Amino acid sequence: AQTVTQSQPEMSVQEAETVTLSCTYDTSESDYYLFWYKQPPSRQMILVIRQEAYKQQNATENRFSVNFQKAAKSFSLKISDSQLGDAAMYFCAYRSVPKTYNTGKLIFGQGTTLQVKP
Amino acid sequence: DAGVIQSPRHEVTEMGQEVTLRCKPISGHDYLFWYRQTMMRGLELLIYFNNNVPIDDSGMPEDRFSAKMPNASFSTLKIQPSEPRDSAVYFCASSFGQGDSPLHFGNGTRLTVT
Repeated sequence: AQTVTQSQPEMSVQEAETVTLSCTYDTSESDYYLFWYKQPPSRQMILVIRQEAYKQQNATENRFSVNFQKAAKSFSLKISDSQLGDAAMYFCAYRSVPKTYNTGKLIFGQGTTLQVKP
Repeated sequence: DAGVIQSPRHEVTEMGQEVTLRCKPISGHDYLFWYRQTMMRGLELLIYFNNNVPIDDSGMPEDRFSAKMPNASFSTLKIQPSEPRDSAVYFCASSFGQGDSPLHFGNGTRLTVT
């Protein structure tokens, strides 16, 4: 079974600085999808960025980028120019490529709480 | 689009009572997921549906939990009887298609069982 591990329960960053959140996963599959979700205090789950495992190029969405290392099974999230609104819990998630109608669950890590200091 | 709509937003009930959580997925989405979030266990998938058919309910904790999806625009998660350890935030999410299609989450229902 696939597992997702976020080893940093809490992180903090100074406003305008850069921070990297770590995520590792375990799988025997060669193709899959990876996601980062953000959960602010409002508890809404918001998609931040996604990565297809077959793509070598790291995904980027404005100030958010990932460092995807397939061999190491690592999928870290880098937030540049951190803003106060980035303060939230961040979840890394894994989803299998569907081979049948069974689409594959979205499996989440335990989350990392990010504090942004003004 | 209004997004995934869950109701109620908060629910407080006494142990032993029946609780029903409701979800309206985004129109056109063919997958619906129920997740539970607690401090101890994080986000757990309880069950998911494809085209209103339950596909995987292996995450449902026990027989006290049941979920239905009578049509494409409505799903319920029922707990009967409820217990204090069921206290959590319950999320409903929907997606269109498979794979890299993102899940769109509702705002969740915070359930407190006293």
